[in-house]
Amino acid sequence: QVQLVQSGVEVKKPGSSVKVSCKPSGGIFSNHAFTWLRQAPGQGLEWMGGIIPISGNTKEAQKFQGRLTITADKSTSTAYMELASLRLDDTAVYYCATSTDGSTWSGWGQGTLVTVSS
Amino acid sequence: DIQMTQSPSSLSASVGDRVTMTCRASQSITTYLNWYQQKSGKAPKLLMFAVSNLQRGVPARFRGSGSGTDFTLTISGLQPEDFATYYCQQSYSFPYTFGLGTKVEV
Repeated sequence: QVQLVQSGVEVKKPGSSVKVSCKPSGGIFSNHAFTWLRQAPGQGLEWMGGIIPISGNTKEAQKFQGRLTITADKSTSTAYMELASLRLDDTAVYYCATSTDGSTWSGWGQGTLVTVSS
Repeated sequence: DIQMTQSPSSLSASVGDRVTMTCRASQSITTYLNWYQQKSGKAPKLLMFAVSNLQRGVPARFRGSGSGTDFTLTISGLQPEDFATYYCQQSYSFPYTFGLGTKVEV
């Protein structure tokens, strides 16, 4: 299975932005779709959106539209998730995950804890 | 959005037991149903895709069934490493959604 390495823990103030990176360990970047999901403390999993790097096409959950930007840098084989206007309830572990079809995720990053606190 | 409802929310079992958990979708998702296993503090792991197809490396004691709105995950001969939370996920339509999970406990 694909190994994904995410950036580290973040602590942010309400109203600020966070940008999390995700890099696969192998050369699968352009052939796969990258998806971002999150899990609030003690809660279930929530799909946020994804990107297909080879085309640049993205899809975001309506819940996050206007706040969420998903990008991919093909030169560094890195995917990014940026969430703006952070709120306290954005505190969660954010995961990147990879798939060939964009909807069934066989490779996962280790997760990035984002804490939003005043 | 398609709502996914899992039951029970938790169950107690012993090594060697056969356990069954269910997942119900709020509308038909045909066979676009995946199962994930998550252990405490770890990322989820894909167990099964399209209802009943085992992900590579997943042991055959895991079995999935169902179609339409009702789905089941069965673990036959529970092993110590199977104590975890199991999530179903629909890949039928955006936004992709998960159930709240079934926690399998000792």
